Amino acid sequence: NAGVMQNPRHLVRRRGQEARLRCSPMKGHSHVYWYRQLPEEGLKFMVYLQKENIIDESGMPKERFSAEFPKEGPSILRIQQVVRGDSAAYFCASSPGRTAAGDGYTFGSGTRLTVV
Amino acid sequence: QKEVEQNSGPLSVPEGAIASLNCTYSDRGSQSFFWYRQYSGKSPELIMFIYSNGDKEDGRFTAQLNKASQYVSLLIRDSQPSDSATYLCAVNNNYGQNFVFGPGTRLSVLP
Repeated sequence: NAGVMQNPRHLVRRRGQEARLRCSPMKGHSHVYWYRQLPEEGLKFMVYLQKENIIDESGMPKERFSAEFPKEGPSILRIQQVVRGDSAAYFCASSPGRTAAGDGYTFGSGTRLTVV
Repeated sequence: QKEVEQNSGPLSVPEGAIASLNCTYSDRGSQSFFWYRQYSGKSPELIMFIYSNGDKEDGRFTAQLNKASQYVSLLIRDSQPSDSATYLCAVNNNYGQNFVFGPGTRLSVLP
């Protein structure tokens, strides 16, 4: 059973370019969560998606960031016109449904974005 | 504003000792509590969860929860150098799908 798969593992972008981060949930999971971890900081919630729906995007910056989870294919976190402050580790997690107490998350291995 | 606070550390303990990691949270509506371990450059991995007041033991790990004091802790008995990592406390209120994480405590177990 493959876990949550994220790619690429490492991504380098120049300022002003676009970054696309992909997350394939565990088999049978239809809920995806994206978190960002800035250097020396804890994980911060960004967005929660179900297939074809954004459920909660309260943690997403208002500009340049967007997320989708299409009917087919992985979830995509897109960052347009990247700036150095976007450099961070981006983690994805998935669940089969509404997370019950005790379930917690299983995170993917993350994408480490470096903006130069 | 929902907050989860932890001592940033580093917390250094000798091998074989008990490591005690603490976490406080501000949202009284919080229902479930999680401890994650994160090695440098790796993703967080779930160690334990607790949602009732009292202690919960799993091997060398014991989670302790006191909802009245809004306090949750993790004890690691017989600490090993392989336990050296950052430990993240996370809180969920069961009404939302997202977790609020603390900044983490860095633990160093000295051989």
